[in-house]
Amino acid sequence: GENVEQHPSTLSVQEGDSAVIKCTYSDSASNYFPWYKQELGKRPQLIIDIRSNVGEKKDQRIAVTLNKTAKHFSLHITETQPEDSAVYFCAALSGGYQKVTFGTGTKLQVIP
Amino acid sequence: GAGVSQSPRYKVAKRGQDVALRCDPISGHVSLFWYQQALGQGPEFLTYFQNEAQLDKSGLPSDRFFAERPEGSVSTLKIQRTQQEDSAVYLCASSLIEGQGASNQPQHFGDGTRLSIL
Repeated sequence: GENVEQHPSTLSVQEGDSAVIKCTYSDSASNYFPWYKQELGKRPQLIIDIRSNVGEKKDQRIAVTLNKTAKHFSLHITETQPEDSAVYFCAALSGGYQKVTFGTGTKLQVIP
Repeated sequence: GAGVSQSPRYKVAKRGQDVALRCDPISGHVSLFWYQQALGQGPEFLTYFQNEAQLDKSGLPSDRFFAERPEGSVSTLKIQRTQQEDSAVYLCASSLIEGQGASNQPQHFGDGTRLSIL
């Protein structure tokens, strides 16, 4: 089955700096890679996703890159703000019905 | 409501009791997923429904866990003879799929049920 690894487990940045979270996956058949933000006690919320036929996608301060050959993908947050503080999960979907395998999460702290 | 709704939000049970957790997916969403999220961990897949059919239950930890979605909408996750290790947040997610082999659709999560077994 799919295995998703995520690094780092914790990340502290100064407000305004950039944050990068990296993930690797094992199943070459995986073709959809969403990123979720989860605040304490809240539901995971989709913030950006990328499909395997695309190498990069950007949405305002958030961007995701995908390297299919190396089987890794990354989340980039620029100009970080305190409200970006949360746990971020990468995920990979494989199989014919979107079975999701999540990474172990990165706790991002943005220091004002 | 437009989102995935789960109830109850919190459930406390004594070890050995049975519990039932409910999920109301977004109207019209064909796919429904249950996940278990332990403290400080990512959600882990439990089971998947396409309409009323349970197509994958490979993530259910034991035969004490049972899920159903009899009419292809609301789903219930039942845990029998609960154990302390069952304590976790149980998340439900739904998504709209266009059919076999169609492009993936994002999953929308509910707020979860926090289950505590004493």
